[in-house]
Amino acid sequence: AQTVTQSQPEMSVQEAETVTLSCTYDTSESDYYLFWYKQPPSRQMILVIRQEAYKQQNATENRFSVNFQKAAKSFSLKISDSQLGDAAMYFCAYSGGDDKIIFGKGTRLHILP
Amino acid sequence: GAVVSQHPSRVICKSGTSVKIECRSLDFQATTMFWYRQFPKQSLMLMATSNEGSKATYEQGVEKDKFLINHASLTLSTLTVTSAHPEDSSFYICSAFWDRRKAEAFFGQGTRLTVV
Repeated sequence: AQTVTQSQPEMSVQEAETVTLSCTYDTSESDYYLFWYKQPPSRQMILVIRQEAYKQQNATENRFSVNFQKAAKSFSLKISDSQLGDAAMYFCAYSGGDDKIIFGKGTRLHILP
Repeated sequence: GAVVSQHPSRVICKSGTSVKIECRSLDFQATTMFWYRQFPKQSLMLMATSNEGSKATYEQGVEKDKFLINHASLTLSTLTVTSAHPEDSSFYICSAFWDRRKAEAFFGQGTRLTVV
């Protein structure tokens, strides 16, 4: 079975600084997707970034980028120029052949003004 | 853009009663929807996969007789919590793939269930 591990329950970063959230996963599949979702206090799940496993190039979305290391099964999220609105729970997630999206335990990100 | 709407957003029910939660894909058809449960300050736990026109597939440890899922149309899946008890109190979230090939999923706003 696939698993997603986030080892950082909480992190803090100064406003305008850069922070990296870690995620590792385990799978025997070769074709899958990885995601980072943001869950603000409203609890609405918001897709931050998506990575297709067969693409070697790391995905980027404005201030958000990932470091995808397929062999190491690592998928970290870098947030540049952190803003107060980035404060939220961040979930790393995996979706493979059965289409299910499996989530890690999450990392709560605090932005310090 | 694609939207998944969940209703109600909050519900309080008495112990022993049943409550139904609806999940609708508003501008796309979803043959498959997913139901998650989220305890406070915890992750989303997949409960079941809802398949249009067929039985839902439940994850291990999820009681199918407690959590009844019906996916009668391509835009609506319902989760009914039967004979609810206080331990069923939780936040329930549904999701649906807008584009399965790209694994683009959208999530409902969630339903906070409180059983008293």
